[in-house]
Amino acid sequence: KQEVTQIPAALSVPEGENLVLNCSFTDSAIYNLQWFRQDPGKGLTSLLLIQSSQREQTSGRLNASLDKSSGRSTLYIAASQPGDSATYLCAAYSGGSNYKLTFGKGTLLTVNP
Amino acid sequence: SQTIHQWPATLVQPVGSPLSLECTVEGTSNPNLYWYRQAAGRGLQLLFYSVGIGQISSEVPQNLSASRPQDRQFILSSKKLLLSDSGFYLCAWSGTGVYEQYFGPGTRLTVT
Repeated sequence: KQEVTQIPAALSVPEGENLVLNCSFTDSAIYNLQWFRQDPGKGLTSLLLIQSSQREQTSGRLNASLDKSSGRSTLYIAASQPGDSATYLCAAYSGGSNYKLTFGKGTLLTVNP
Repeated sequence: SQTIHQWPATLVQPVGSPLSLECTVEGTSNPNLYWYRQAAGRGLQLLFYSVGIGQISSEVPQNLSASRPQDRQFILSSKKLLLSDSGFYLCAWSGTGVYEQYFGPGTRLTVT
């Protein structure tokens, strides 16, 4: 059974700082890993999808990496801004016809101006 | 472009009352559709998924049911709500054979 853990649960940084969010998963036989952003009371916004054959994906100031052998993914945010404040969730898809994503509980990021 | 809608946005219902939440997707055909629940302090839990009209699979035995009467419509229902049904309900879709999932704005359900 796949389990996804995100550490830390909360992170507070000053504006402009580069930061890394961590995601670990127990079953390395994943098909892909997806990073999401969730603002308070809102739905999830997909940020990046990394397929198992890839090691990283980039979108603007965001870079996500995937290391299946160690069971880890990281989301790197460059030059953080107050607008980046949100909860960041990672989710792993481990195959199967149910297309089930297993989610971590998220990291609450606060970027202080 | 594809969009996903959910309604209502918020709902307050008494225990024992029925429930109907609706999700529709625009701009795509034959999507995979999903219902998730997000409870306070817990991760997202997959409740139901559907790969086609009338095809519903349940992930967790519970007080809820789902239906897919049209290709791009997904409905979450209950005959009698429990207090434990309170939470944030999210609908999501993905393309056939594509694993990236896209989420709707959610419905906040409070059972009193």
